[in-house]
Amino acid sequence: NAGVTQTPKFQVLKTGQSMTLQCAQDMNHNSMYWYRQDPGMGLRLIYYSASEGTTDKGEVPNGYNVSRLNKREFSLRLESAAPSQTSVYFCASTYPLGGGPRYNEQFFGPGTRLTVL
Amino acid sequence: KNQVEQSPQSLIILEGKNCTLQCNYTVSPFSNLRWYKQDTGRGPVSLTIMTFSENTKSNGRYTATLDADTKQSSLHITASQLSDSASYICVVRVSGGGADGLTFGKGTHLIIQP
Repeated sequence: NAGVTQTPKFQVLKTGQSMTLQCAQDMNHNSMYWYRQDPGMGLRLIYYSASEGTTDKGEVPNGYNVSRLNKREFSLRLESAAPSQTSVYFCASTYPLGGGPRYNEQFFGPGTRLTVL
Repeated sequence: KNQVEQSPQSLIILEGKNCTLQCNYTVSPFSNLRWYKQDTGRGPVSLTIMTFSENTKSNGRYTATLDADTKQSSLHITASQLSDSASYICVVRVSGGGADGLTFGKGTHLIIQP
């Protein structure tokens, strides 16, 4: 049981390049999330998918797109990277809403460290 | 606006000592509060989760308290160990907020010195 996995672990891009961050979970969770974490700031929600087939914008969606490929996988795409997108990106998944013994606990992946030059 | 404020921003203590981290929130209506531990270069890992009716919850040497009336929580670490060096993040969920109903604090960076 690997939990939440993310690829790649590190990436350096030039301004204007595109890339896709991959995330997968093997816990049969319905909801998945993408966050970014910047120094001195809390985790900020970029996009989330409450269930397979749905996606919604979070607090900071500009410059990103997402795809919920299936129940396991949720990808984040940067179409034209900018230096302001230099950050650490975390994917997370959540125990099904509305029930379960862990009160919607989130499980996080190890993160992708992205630098845009 | 829903906010979660944590203090101190950073803290250095000697191994074996106790410490207490604070979390104040303005999230309303309140559903639950979680404390996460984030080791350097890793994703956050849940320590405790408390609902409105729970005012104390322990996880080994970690004890979290919640005062829903004053909207304050604390995380007490007993007999600190070098492995406790990490950032500790307080997260509050708003009731009925759906999949995006979480507000994150900026974290307290804790360093345990030998």
